[in-house]
Amino acid sequence: EAGVVQSPRYKIIEKKQPVAFWCNPISGHNTLYWYLQNLGQGPELLIRYENEEAVDDSQLPKDRFSAERLKGVDSTLKIQPAELGDSAVYLCASSSNGGTQYFGPGTRLLVL
Amino acid sequence: GESVGLHLPTLSVQEGDNSIINCAYSNSASDYFIWYKQESGKGPQFIIDIRSNMDKRQGQRVTVLLNKTVKHLSLQIAATQPGDSAVYFCAEIYTGGFKTIFGAGTRLFVKA
Repeated sequence: EAGVVQSPRYKIIEKKQPVAFWCNPISGHNTLYWYLQNLGQGPELLIRYENEEAVDDSQLPKDRFSAERLKGVDSTLKIQPAELGDSAVYLCASSSNGGTQYFGPGTRLLVL
Repeated sequence: GESVGLHLPTLSVQEGDNSIINCAYSNSASDYFIWYKQESGKGPQFIIDIRSNMDKRQGQRVTVLLNKTVKHLSLQIAATQPGDSAVYFCAEIYTGGFKTIFGAGTRLFVKA
């Protein structure tokens, strides 16, 4: 069974540019999470979806970050415009009904 | 919680020895706990979990101990191998609120 798929794996952009990350969760998992992970730290939740509904986006910086999961499967996380401090790893995870979360490999973002 | 930043706690063990990684959690209402292993360049990987109505659970070469009195979780790895070298995160989950909080992580270094 395929795990959580993320793309791209790496992204280098200049500040003020937009960037988007894509996630395909494990088949059948209705809960999808986007996390931010800074170097040497644990993942920090940005947003959680139950099917197509964002049920917890309290930690998402809504002035520049947005996310969508239109059909309740794949999801996209966008940053516009990116800032230097956004350099981090963006992890996607999925679970069945809020159970154990399984993570993708992450997208490593470097903002120059 | 307070982040460790770049200065992750590090545990260095000799190959074949047993390892014990500790974690203090914060929410007394957390009712589910998970240990994740994260290798360089990869997303966190599920190792073992435990529910709050248990105080011990064993897997293959790994044991998780839960002490709710002092809000402490530990991961024991038997006969540590070089492939166990990674950063280990504990996660506490309050299933009622779908809240998952990750600890700062401990870096395990296995000497051959």
